[in-house]
This record gives sequence, structure tokens and C-alpha cells, in this order.
Amino acid sequence: QSALTQPPSASGSPGQSVTISCTGTSGDIGGYNFVSWYQQHPGKVPKLMIYEVSKRPSGVPDRFSASKSGNTASLTVSGLQADDEADYYCTSYAGNNGYVLFGGGTKLTVL
Amino acid sequence: EVQLLESGGDLLQPGGSLRLSCAASGFTFSTYAMTWVRQAPGKGLEWVSAITPGGSTYYPDSVKGRFTISRDNSKNTLYLQMNSLRAEDTAVYYCTKSIGYCSGGNCNWGQGTLVTVSS
Repeated sequence: QSALTQPPSASGSPGQSVTISCTGTSGDIGGYNFVSWYQQHPGKVPKLMIYEVSKRPSGVPDRFSASKSGNTASLTVSGLQADDEADYYCTSYAGNNGYVLFGGGTKLTVL
Repeated sequence: EVQLLESGGDLLQPGGSLRLSCAASGFTFSTYAMTWVRQAPGKGLEWVSAITPGGSTYYPDSVKGRFTISRDNSKNTLYLQMNSLRAEDTAVYYCTKSIGYCSGGNCNWGQGTLVTVSS
């Protein structure tokens, strides 16, 4: 039941791209294509940005993209904007290994 | 429109008990897995319980034996019974729908309810 591993912080200048990683195991990320990414601004409810590894809900800009390789998932934010500054969390279905696991969160700073 | 409305948050002393409720609407409640997720002040997200449509339940070690998730499909309501509460259980508790799979992007969060455990 260990949490997924994310870097605590990431940063980039406006217009640049930044990638946030999320590492798990074969029992969660590596075993299922049910990785999601959430964006959370202070005091707000988490907002779904990516589901099923790489799919975007309607209304999420295509500047947000994601992928998975083995036990590691990644979220890339391109063309950074000031409003992208937030905490980002990955999640993965984990079945009998813990049902759903969260990453510890990455604070994205737009310089 | 999917709505998840939590209630029951309160201020209580260590060792106390509390039951949270989540009233669900806008979807066929009985057919979805439901999960409680919490967020301590200034901290990250942590799942604290899950229940499948068939009634199977899951808990992390941090709450196993103290928390019990249940559902009443006739009332479209999810519950979280919390016993032997500790200061570290202080958090906003979110009711969530189907966040394990989030199949088709069909997953949702409530607005949360605050539980404070303090003497």
C-alpha cells in the first residue's frame, strides 16, 4: 500500500514545458491502464486533468498530455501559463493491493 | 449532473467517534465503486476507504480496524464510520465516485467535509 512516488516540486517559465513523473509498481501503475492526474489549486477540490493514462476530459487544454512506461507515468504541461501553478497528483488503480493509490503530490511553480 | 454532498464533519476529541455521510445523485449509485479520500491541512491526498458495487471493502493500514465504509443503495448514500479518532485524522474528507478506474473520465468528487480531532 505504498503511495506512488512524485517529485515534491517542479518549475518552469511561462511558455516552457515541464514533466512530472509518478512511479509505482507492477501492482498498480504497471499492471493497469487506470492512471489519472489531478490538478488542485489552494482551497479547491481536485480537478481531473487526465484519465486512463493519457486521455483528457472535455475542457482540459491539449497543453496537458500524459503517458506511461512500465511502472512510471508522466504528465507534461506545455506552454506553461500562470494558472497552471498548482499541486498535481497522480493516482492509479491498485486492485487488491490497495484499491487506489495516490502520489504524494508535486507543487508546480510557474516562474 | 452528478452531485456528491458530504455531511457530518465536526470538532471532536481524540478517541471519539464520528459518522460521515455522502448523499449521491445524478447517477445510478448502486453500480459504482465509491471511495473516501482525505487531505490533512497542508498535506497531500490519501484514500481512506473504498467499497465496490458488490460490497467489497478496502482500507489502508492507517485506518484499518478503526474506519468502516458502508453504503445504502436504497438511500443513495455512502457512509464512513470513524472510531478511535486521532489528531492525525484531522482532514477534509472527500466522497468520491469511481476514482479507482475513472473509466471514461466518469469520476467525481464532492466538496468535502472537515473533521478536526483535537483536545
